[in-house]
Amino acid sequence: DQQVKQNSPSLSVQEGRISILNCDYTNSMFDYFLWYKKYPAEGPTFLISISSIKDKNEDGRFTVFLNKSAKHLSLHIVPSQPGDSAVYFCAATGMSGSARQLTFGSGTQLTVLP
Amino acid sequence: ETGVTQSPTHLIKTRGQQVTLRCSSQSGHNTVSWYQQALGQGPQFIFQYYREEENGRGNFPPRFSGLQFPNYSSELNVNALELDDSALYLCASTPRGLAADTQYFGPGTRLTVL
Repeated sequence: DQQVKQNSPSLSVQEGRISILNCDYTNSMFDYFLWYKKYPAEGPTFLISISSIKDKNEDGRFTVFLNKSAKHLSLHIVPSQPGDSAVYFCAATGMSGSARQLTFGSGTQLTVLP
Repeated sequence: ETGVTQSPTHLIKTRGQQVTLRCSSQSGHNTVSWYQQALGQGPQFIFQYYREEENGRGNFPPRFSGLQFPNYSSELNVNALELDDSALYLCASTPRGLAADTQYFGPGTRLTVL
């Protein structure tokens, strides 16, 4: 039972254009959402996050949008750069006992073409 | 650079054997979580330790166990290895005073079970 889903395994975008990565979740108890970026042979690196009380958070070229009624979030990268090519994971957290655990989606491989 | 290191980088074991994976966090990171990432999937939460005690566990059998030490290092032990245990194992730590949503990942240990 996948509680966090990323339905697009891959996405290719031209340099300078917008990249939009999507994520859906099913668990209403999730109250915090994060995006991680992963290069080969490295661990995931935190990119941006959003609390469930907000619908938008922006950090430079990266913006995350949250639609709670649709249980959907998206990551926008504008403008896209070749260095953004990586696997992007959406993650969600909520309390599990006394721990806050990250539940990840399966990832989207973003390729930004020069 | 997250300051989280893991050893070894790669490991090959045979079915039925036992393995110990190690993680070293920065000083002051008193929460550590372990994740299993199978090929083509997102990381899955195994368990979390806070102040040397397990305070949350995912859907993994008891043959997965862990330890956290006062010097901010930790171990993941897996007994009776199975072929499906082949995966990338990631540890992530959280600095004291920050919410456990803020997790800094190490580069992982690639375990292959033959």
